[in-house]
Amino acid sequence: QKEVEQNSGPLSVPEGAIASLNCTYSDRVSQSFFWYRQYSGKSPELIMSIYSNGDKEDGRFTAQLNKASQYVSLLIRDSQPSDSATYLCAVTPVGGYQKVTFGTGTKLQVIP
Amino acid sequence: ETGVTQSPTHLIKTRGQQVTLRCSSQSGHNTVSWYQQALGQGPQFIFQYYREEENGRGNFPPRFSGLQFPNYSSELNVNALELDDSALYLCASSLESMDPHPYFGPGTRLTVL
Repeated sequence: QKEVEQNSGPLSVPEGAIASLNCTYSDRVSQSFFWYRQYSGKSPELIMSIYSNGDKEDGRFTAQLNKASQYVSLLIRDSQPSDSATYLCAVTPVGGYQKVTFGTGTKLQVIP
Repeated sequence: ETGVTQSPTHLIKTRGQQVTLRCSSQSGHNTVSWYQQALGQGPQFIFQYYREEENGRGNFPPRFSGLQFPNYSSELNVNALELDDSALYLCASSLESMDPHPYFGPGTRLTVL
């Protein structure tokens, strides 16, 4: 079982719709959870972090965490063509050095 | 505040050669991590340096080695290059080893022929 699993996609949504990206992780004691956006040929850019169960909203982005189900999601409201990118889910362990473990990413395509 | 910078941006090497990649951390950051991202994959953790000491390593062979300098800049060295080493190499800096927010540089694209 992979440590962090994501559907590779592509996930296609029409402009203005809600895009829902999902991620599961295997290490029950994971502590910190992140969503990164990566445009083709560019490095990952942190867009959301979440540390406790529930929802966290930042503009058009909402991260949701359910530690009991080992599940993290990212909702993008009012999707724009500029949101088209690969979204990487990442987790870090409790304590020690901060090894960030990434999923393989979900490619999102927003259709104008 | 300056961000993380990496050099070179692109590099082509042949199998068996050695390569050195460089990274300058974001101002004030004393921790640097290196990641390898193969095409279509997520970044994979290579190792982390904190105050010039390696304090964590992923599943990479010893031919991947690194250094961190007193000014917190860093190098990644790869010996005996293999075709599978072709990837985007990402440097990330953070304020302390426990800072959960690595800030990535633009990366170095390495191609091994």
